[in-house]
Amino acid sequence: QKEVEQDPGPLSVPEGAIVSLNCTYSNSAFQYFMWYRQYSRKGPELLMYTYSSGNKEDGRFTAQVDKSSKYISLFIRDSQPSDSATYLCAMNSGGYQKVTFGIGTKLQVIP
Amino acid sequence: GAVVSQHPSRVICKSGTSVKIECRSLDFQATTMFWYRQFPKKSLMLMATSNEGSKATYEQGVEKDKFLINHASLTLSTLTVTSAHPEDSSFYICSAHLGDNYGYTFGSGTRLTVV
Repeated sequence: QKEVEQDPGPLSVPEGAIVSLNCTYSNSAFQYFMWYRQYSRKGPELLMYTYSSGNKEDGRFTAQVDKSSKYISLFIRDSQPSDSATYLCAMNSGGYQKVTFGIGTKLQVIP
Repeated sequence: GAVVSQHPSRVICKSGTSVKIECRSLDFQATTMFWYRQFPKKSLMLMATSNEGSKATYEQGVEKDKFLINHASLTLSTLTVTSAHPEDSSFYICSAHLGDNYGYTFGSGTRLTVV
């Protein structure tokens, strides 16, 4: 079993839809959770950074962490074609500890 | 926001030659930087952790003599792929930790093609 599981997609949605992206993990030591957006042939861009369980909102993005279920989500409201990219979840146990990434979900927002 | 600059963005080299990739933190000091490799449709794979003023820590299975890492200052880490072979062709990305409340920021990546 992989430490972090993420559906690679692709996921296609119409413009304006709410997008739900998810990851599950097996390591209960993970405390910090991140979501990155990666455009083709570019480095990942940090979208959200959360600690422990709960919700965090930033503009159109909402990150949820449920540590009891070992499940994290990223919601994108009012999705735009420019949101089309690969979304990577990432997590670690804190500080400078090794970060473990999901495989990434490819999202396509259709105009 | 904090920026990590990576150079070059793309390089093509002949088999057997060496290639150096630079990673600079532009507006902050990074005592620790990380080097990743990314294969198509695969997750980012941590290669090594680069520590300013000391030896890098390599992940299991990564050849230290092939992937030389130097972190001579608080703003610069370099990865040198020595005696490159076609199987070294990949996307290499560096990263730095911004602090407990800010996560990790990544460079723009280097596409290496060995012919």
